[in-house]
Amino acid sequence: AQSVAQPEDQVNVAEGNPLTVKCTYSVSGNPYLFWYVQYPNRGLQFLLKYITGDNLVKGSYGFEAEFNKSQTSFHLKKPSALVSDSALYFCAVRPSIYNQGGKLIFGQGTELSVKP
Amino acid sequence: DTAVSQTPKYLVTQMGNDKSIKCEQNLGHDTMYWYKQDSKKFLKIMFSYNNKELIINETVPNRFSPKSPDKAHLNLHINSLELGDSAVYFCASSLKHDSRGSGKTQYFGPGTRLLVL
Repeated sequence: AQSVAQPEDQVNVAEGNPLTVKCTYSVSGNPYLFWYVQYPNRGLQFLLKYITGDNLVKGSYGFEAEFNKSQTSFHLKKPSALVSDSALYFCAVRPSIYNQGGKLIFGQGTELSVKP
Repeated sequence: DTAVSQTPKYLVTQMGNDKSIKCEQNLGHDTMYWYKQDSKKFLKIMFSYNNKELIINETVPNRFSPKSPDKAHLNLHINSLELGDSAVYFCASSLKHDSRGSGKTQYFGPGTRLLVL
């Protein structure tokens, strides 16, 4: 079965410290991996994606993620957290098998809380 | 210059009623989606349309009927609303996914918060 796991429901970080939000996946074929952020009562905003190429992907707002095929992981990172980064973060995978219709399979979300 | 818009933003209604949610995108995309986010924030695909053609129907009850009048619009009609339909419904759009699959980014609307009483 194809799935995405975010093992931490919540991550707490002090402002200025580095942050990591973890994501592991299980899909058939090569995965296309995405991170989205959801602020309270808002829609999902695209942060970054991995399709192919360099395993380190840089995205919006200073976020980056590293694709690790052997560990089937795609952890989201930021060198220095801001209070404004506090939000709900979703990892998602789009199976590359052609008949999947482009659907995204989401992890359960990780609530990031950055304290001053 | 809204990219993906949904109306209404909030919808409170009684069990048994029929309601519709509208979605429009001005990104020039040809594929649109409906996702449901439950009370635990879990997101799951419901439908996908490409050029007005249904591509994905993820075992959604047939009380839910998507309609795509053109590739910029994908509406969701729900018949005989039930308590369990209470959720946030997100519309999204992207460019077409080719036969080999590609990482076309999906852009999401602001969501419609549906509460069934």
